[in-house]
Amino acid sequence: EIVLTQSPGTLSLSPGERATLSCRASQSVSRGYLAWYQQKPGQAPRLLISAAFNRATGVPDRFSGSGSGTDFTLTISRLQPEDFAVYHCQQYDISPWTFGQGTKVEIK
Amino acid sequence: QVQLVQSGTEVKTPGSSVKVSCKASGVVFSSFSFSWVRQAPGQGLEWMGGVMPIFGTTKYAQKFQGRVTISADKSTTTTYMELSSLRSEDTAVYYCARDPNYYISGIFDDWGQGTLVTVSS
Repeated sequence: EIVLTQSPGTLSLSPGERATLSCRASQSVSRGYLAWYQQKPGQAPRLLISAAFNRATGVPDRFSGSGSGTDFTLTISRLQPEDFAVYHCQQYDISPWTFGQGTKVEIK
Repeated sequence: QVQLVQSGTEVKTPGSSVKVSCKASGVVFSSFSFSWVRQAPGQGLEWMGGVMPIFGTTKYAQKFQGRVTISADKSTTTTYMELSSLRSEDTAVYYCARDPNYYISGIFDDWGQGTLVTVSS
């Protein structure tokens, strides 16, 4: 199965700063089927990005996804207070669909 | 507006089984597939398997093959996940999630609120 490794584990930033989250796959996600989810404490995940760079409906444009092959990035251009959460990447190229361990974005 | 409403908290003993339900509303049930994803305390997300209501076809992660049964009832627009031979490591929040395709494509647009299953003697 494809193993996804997210880095860093925790990102400490201030509101208004730029966040860059990385997701590295153990083998190529050849069709670019990489998604990003946001999860707040006590809540279910929320889809942000599909197919590496397509924002889901209602997702602000400060969220952007990029990458291909084995290296993918989620960028939050200017952190808003509501953006402090855990972010998970997920590949849906090869079954079983797998997730990274998550990156926590916390207030510095 | 899509809503996925799951059944409530469960406490089970090792070796027993649990069945969690997820009722969908605001969607044409058979036009989508549904998966189950779990999250152990403080851990990441883990896909268990999914079902295509239109055909009743299922797909499971090998890790859970033989121990999980996922089904769908079109008449009540409800999907079910049954996990047997429970052990302490199965303690987790279990989520149902809607796939925007009728086949199990692995992308999850909408999620239920989660059901906590605790396995303890």
